[in-house]
Amino acid sequence: SQQGEEDPQALSIQEGENATMNCSYKTSINNLQWYRQNSGRGLVHLILIRSNEREKHSGRLRVTLDTSKKSSSLLITASRAADTASYFCAEPLIGAGSYQLTFGKGTKLSVIP
Amino acid sequence: GAGVSQSPSNKVTEKGKDVELRCDPISGHTALYWYRQRLGQGLEFLIYFQGNSAPDKSGLPSDRFSAERTGESVSTLTIQRTQQEDSAVYLCASSLEDYSNQPQHFGDGTRLSIL
Repeated sequence: SQQGEEDPQALSIQEGENATMNCSYKTSINNLQWYRQNSGRGLVHLILIRSNEREKHSGRLRVTLDTSKKSSSLLITASRAADTASYFCAEPLIGAGSYQLTFGKGTKLSVIP
Repeated sequence: GAGVSQSPSNKVTEKGKDVELRCDPISGHTALYWYRQRLGQGLEFLIYFQGNSAPDKSGLPSDRFSAERTGESVSTLTIQRTQQEDSAVYLCASSLEDYSNQPQHFGDGTRLSIL
């Protein structure tokens, strides 16, 4: 089944720096979504970018999508300690009438105060 | 408003026992998903419910796993004769409608440990 892969697996930066995470996927997509997961918690939806969009912004988040390379990136600007979490990209996979999300293993971001 | 609620938050049980996990979706959300997350891994799809339609069970790993949902309300995931490889966090998500462009809203999961 198609699955996004995030890169790097782990990233450690100083507070105030920018963090960039990348995602590659295997097959054609309708849209790509980014989620955040704090330790011991569920996933929180951050942003959705459609296949006909190239860039999208939400607050300090910037997502790009390159369908020719089957890749996406998530940029967090001016990072804060509270941004420490795992970040996942996910693509809807049309199953037997459902839109299950397929996830990679995530990028674990640590923002050092 | 209330988010997706899952219970219990933690469950420790002996190998061979049955367990039942519960999910209360956001009111009005017609689509409900169950995922499994092993330590340090991404999420694996298990099962999906949409209204009164037949569920998509394509992700269930074995016949020991089953799930039910009554209408658009509570869902329960049951694992029979648990094995150690069933140890994981089980996450439930709901979404407003069954379209691929709807974000999914997750509960905090049930952390299941099989001794």
